[in-house]
Amino acid sequence: DSGVTQTPKHLITATGQRVTLRCSPRSGDLSVYWYQQSLDQGLQFLIQYYNGEERAKGNILERFSAQQFPDLHSELNLSSLELGDSALYFCASSMTRGTSGSGGETQYFGPGTRLLVL
Amino acid sequence: AQSVTQLDSQVPVFEEAPVELRCNYSSSVSVYLFWYVQYPNQGLQLLLKYLSGSTLVKGINGFEAEFNKSQTSFHLRKPSVHISDTAEYFCAVSELSGGYQKVTFGTGTKLQVIP
Repeated sequence: DSGVTQTPKHLITATGQRVTLRCSPRSGDLSVYWYQQSLDQGLQFLIQYYNGEERAKGNILERFSAQQFPDLHSELNLSSLELGDSALYFCASSMTRGTSGSGGETQYFGPGTRLLVL
Repeated sequence: AQSVTQLDSQVPVFEEAPVELRCNYSSSVSVYLFWYVQYPNQGLQLLLKYLSGSTLVKGINGFEAEFNKSQTSFHLRKPSVHISDTAEYFCAVSELSGGYQKVTFGTGTKLQVIP
């Protein structure tokens, strides 16, 4: 158990819909990362938050957005869903503390949310 | 910009045989290197990481990796694999960018251990 929790575990929805995925980082971790894993694209970095602020963006679509709340949990919002959005979505957390971080922190991954868009 | 190349998408190997999973990286600055493992239906977990010091890094479950700066490689090895090692393995490179950790993962190598 990594200490990172994600809900829901599975999600089935229809095209055009909007869903919200939730992530709670390990206790004490300030950074949260979101990843998408699909068979054709592999593991893709979406976005990173640090202590409530967006810090890095990867291959995140404009239809997707995220935020990190004062209690450090994070939500990934996926809207206008398409069939191709079906994937495993992972959240990870680390102890990165901004400029005091070394860059070598381990990321701890949650079990993922499996999204199926029909 | 940093990048990671995992040269083999799938590696079949017989049980108790040795295995090497290859990883090459590119980066313009000092990097930190990681190997993560993903067992079926689970998230990724850290196997080992190289930050500095000895170029031979030992990780969990009998795995080790060697950092080779001149060849920009960080290959993962195990002298004798078990059925339970069947999983997908991801190499990752990390660097500080604007004061924050930027991590790039490779495309993964599926290790299939054959009884």
